[in-house]
Amino acid sequence: KAGVTQTPRYLIKTRGQQVTLSCSPISGHRSVSWYQQTPGQGLQFLFEYFSETQRNKGNFPGRFSGRQFSNSRSEMNVSTLELGDSALYLCASSLQGSRSYNSPLHFGNGTRLTVT
Amino acid sequence: GQQVMQIPQYQHVQEGEDFTTYCNSSTTLSNIQWYKQRPGGHPVFLIQLVKSGEVKKQKRLTFQFGEAKKNSSLHITATQTTDVGTYFCAGPESGGGADGLTFGKGTHLIIQP
Repeated sequence: KAGVTQTPRYLIKTRGQQVTLSCSPISGHRSVSWYQQTPGQGLQFLFEYFSETQRNKGNFPGRFSGRQFSNSRSEMNVSTLELGDSALYLCASSLQGSRSYNSPLHFGNGTRLTVT
Repeated sequence: GQQVMQIPQYQHVQEGEDFTTYCNSSTTLSNIQWYKQRPGGHPVFLIQLVKSGEVKKQKRLTFQFGEAKKNSSLHITATQTTDVGTYFCAGPESGGGADGLTFGKGTHLIIQP
């Protein structure tokens, strides 16, 4: 079974621009979660989608948004980029959602975003 | 909101020594999960504990979930260079909530041969 695929792997943007990141989950997984990883803050939860509905949301500004399509693929958008948005953005899929028993997260390799 | 703390932040050990990382949550967890991230890689699921006081073993790794379901530990016996990486605990708050899985900041294990 193919793993979680994230594109692109690397991205360089300038302040004020917007960016869209893509995530294809493992086949059969209905839940997709997004995390921001930085050396100082660790893994911070952005949001989780299940069957096209946002199920949970972390404590991030409205500039961060996402969506999930009917094939479970997900996109994350960040508008009006700031220097502090530079991070590794990780997508993870799970069978029934991150809060469910026996439904661990399977992470992709991430998208490394650099904002200059 | 829920906070998950991990200590220590960094741990240097000689190859062959034991290693333990501790995880504490500010709220009761419905379950605790452990992940490992190798340098340059992505987190990989290791195990999930659900029951109060549960202990599970995977070869040299022993995982424990506290009686109050607010703390957990991971112990590695006789570390090897392949154990290098960052170990994260994560858990959903018990009783539901709007947050997804909350991760601790991780313990970086550095092994000196």
